[in-house]
Amino acid sequence: TQLLEQSPQFLSIQEGENLTVYCNSSSVFSSLQWYRQEPGEGPVLLVTVVTGGEVKKLKRLTFQFGDARKDSSLHITAAQPGDTGLYLCAGYGGGSNYKLTFGKGTLLTVNP
Amino acid sequence: DSGVTQTPKHLITATGQRVTLRCSPRSGDLSVYWYQQSLDQGLQFLIQYYNGEERAKGNILERFSAQQFPDLHSELNLSSLELGDSALYFCASSPSGTGFFGTEAFFGQGTRLTVV
Repeated sequence: TQLLEQSPQFLSIQEGENLTVYCNSSSVFSSLQWYRQEPGEGPVLLVTVVTGGEVKKLKRLTFQFGDARKDSSLHITAAQPGDTGLYLCAGYGGGSNYKLTFGKGTLLTVNP
Repeated sequence: DSGVTQTPKHLITATGQRVTLRCSPRSGDLSVYWYQQSLDQGLQFLIQYYNGEERAKGNILERFSAQQFPDLHSELNLSSLELGDSALYFCASSPSGTGFFGTEAFFGQGTRLTVV
């Protein structure tokens, strides 16, 4: 069973601060996705990383896939209240492992 | 709007009953996933269908079943409901369900099931 552990579970910061959340596994994933979920809504895809060591930037968000494709991080620069939400990572096994497995998420609150 | 439609949005039912949740995937997507989300367990993968065939199974209880129809919509059937089945149930669709980008999932707004 492929498990994804996300940390921290909860994070409360002030507007303008930087933060990093982590997604770790003992398993290798073919690709890894990050989603953001707001209350009462379904998760929304932010990015997909596929190559070990890959870094992708989306405005103030920077995503990195670990060299061994077992872990990933999401860094947010100058957080804004609109960044508040549940951040979920999801790993795709690849090959004949079709499952898309989600971590439990990091609940981020950015206070004005 | 993700393009994935789930109905109903809310459902309240009694223990022991049976309910059916419905999902219409994005136009052109062949793969449908069902997830259960609760506060303590997070998003739990239940089952995946691709073009009408079951492709992957997660921790789906025997009381639960699903299918994908020729028009690609999917239904999740939950029977002999228990209090612990209360949760948000999400449907997601993806283009193919394989490959780096074919698994990028687009989620519906979910069905909130409350068993009383």
